[in-house]
Amino acid sequence: ILNVEQSPQSLHVQEGDSTNFTCSFPSSNFYALHWYRWETAKSPEALFVMTLNGDEKKKGRISATLNTKEGYSYLYIKGSQPEDSATYLCACTPGTDSWGKLQFGAGTQVVVTP
Amino acid sequence: GAVVSQHPSWVICKSGTSVKIECRSLDFQATTMFWYRQFPKQSLMLMATSNEGSKATYEQGVEKDKFLINHASLTLSTLTVTSAHPEDSSFYICSARGTGGRWRGELFFGEGSRLTVL
Repeated sequence: ILNVEQSPQSLHVQEGDSTNFTCSFPSSNFYALHWYRWETAKSPEALFVMTLNGDEKKKGRISATLNTKEGYSYLYIKGSQPEDSATYLCACTPGTDSWGKLQFGAGTQVVVTP
Repeated sequence: GAVVSQHPSWVICKSGTSVKIECRSLDFQATTMFWYRQFPKQSLMLMATSNEGSKATYEQGVEKDKFLINHASLTLSTLTVTSAHPEDSSFYICSARGTGGRWRGELFFGEGSRLTVL
């Protein structure tokens, strides 16, 4: 079982500001890291899946980096908008035979105020 | 992306009754689905892997006789909480892994089901 931790638990951001938050995981026994965006009463929406050390991915104003050697990933939101308000989950997959068996962090709740 | 529909969204039942939750992939096939639950202020925790046409595999500590999983078709998995008790009150959510075609290997989540046992 991978111990996945996210920080901070929550953060408030002013509209237009940029922000970032962290997901940490044990660097051993790691295969892939997933980021999800989860709005209340909706399905978690996949943002990124990353496997390689040094990976960087971008989707609009949101980007993520991965450091598998030290066991962390950052998610960045540039120029936050109210529609970015959601809980952001990271999750790890320990191996290829476990694809889909996700070990989740507790999430970072982001509130963007106008 | 593809859509996974989960029903009911919320359910309240009396202690001792059984509750069935459905997880349906609407526009793709999924031979494998996953069931998670989340207690307040905790992470989503994997309960079991649902395999089409075969028995589900359960994570350590999850009672297979209490949480019955049936995956009889390529688009539907059901989770039945048998003889529910207040400690089973939780948020249950499923995910489906695309089997072939455009969504092969991709994971899609349902909206979740909140169970309250009185």
